[in-house]
Amino acid sequence: AQTVTQSQPEMSVQEAETVTLSCTYDTSENNYYLFWYKQPPSRQMILVIRQEAYKQQNATENRFSVNFQKAAKSFSLKISDSQLGDTAMYFCAFMKLSGTYKYIFGTGTRLKVLA
Amino acid sequence: DSGVTQTPKHLITATGQRVTLRCSPRSGDLSVYWYQQSLDQGLQFLIQYYNGEERAKGNILERFSAQQFPDLHSELNLSSLELGDSALYFCASSQGTPEAFFGQGTRLTVV
Repeated sequence: AQTVTQSQPEMSVQEAETVTLSCTYDTSENNYYLFWYKQPPSRQMILVIRQEAYKQQNATENRFSVNFQKAAKSFSLKISDSQLGDTAMYFCAFMKLSGTYKYIFGTGTRLKVLA
Repeated sequence: DSGVTQTPKHLITATGQRVTLRCSPRSGDLSVYWYQQSLDQGLQFLIQYYNGEERAKGNILERFSAQQFPDLHSELNLSSLELGDSALYFCASSQGTPEAFFGQGTRLTVV
């Protein structure tokens, strides 16, 4: 069975600074996707970034980038130039590509951006 | 706006009751997934339907059931409700690709 671990329940960062959220996972699968989702107070689940395991290049979406270390089963999210609107719960998620496309989520990291 | 619509947004009901949560997927999406988000269990996959047929089951209680109708909307039925069933229930839809789009959820409170 696959598991996803987020070891930082809460973090804070000053506006305009950079913060890194950690995620590790455990799987014996070779083909899978990894995701970071953001859940603001509105509770909507918003996709931040996606990484295909077969790609060595780390994904980047504007101020958001990942550090994907497949051998170490690590998938951290870096937020640059943090903004007040980045305040949210962040979930790391795993999806294997065999069988059904269901997400396995970590427990989340609550990020607060301070003015 | 993800294009996935869930109703109602909030629901308060008493223990022992039965409720139905509704989900309209994005136009063209054949897959519907249901997830439960609770304080003690986190975000958990409950069940998936694809084009009207059950495709996969996760940690779904026997008191819970779901179905997907010919127009592709889905309903999650929760019966004999207990206090511990209080949670946020999400529906997500996809075209069968490895990325799903989430609705805004239904907040269920059992009192």
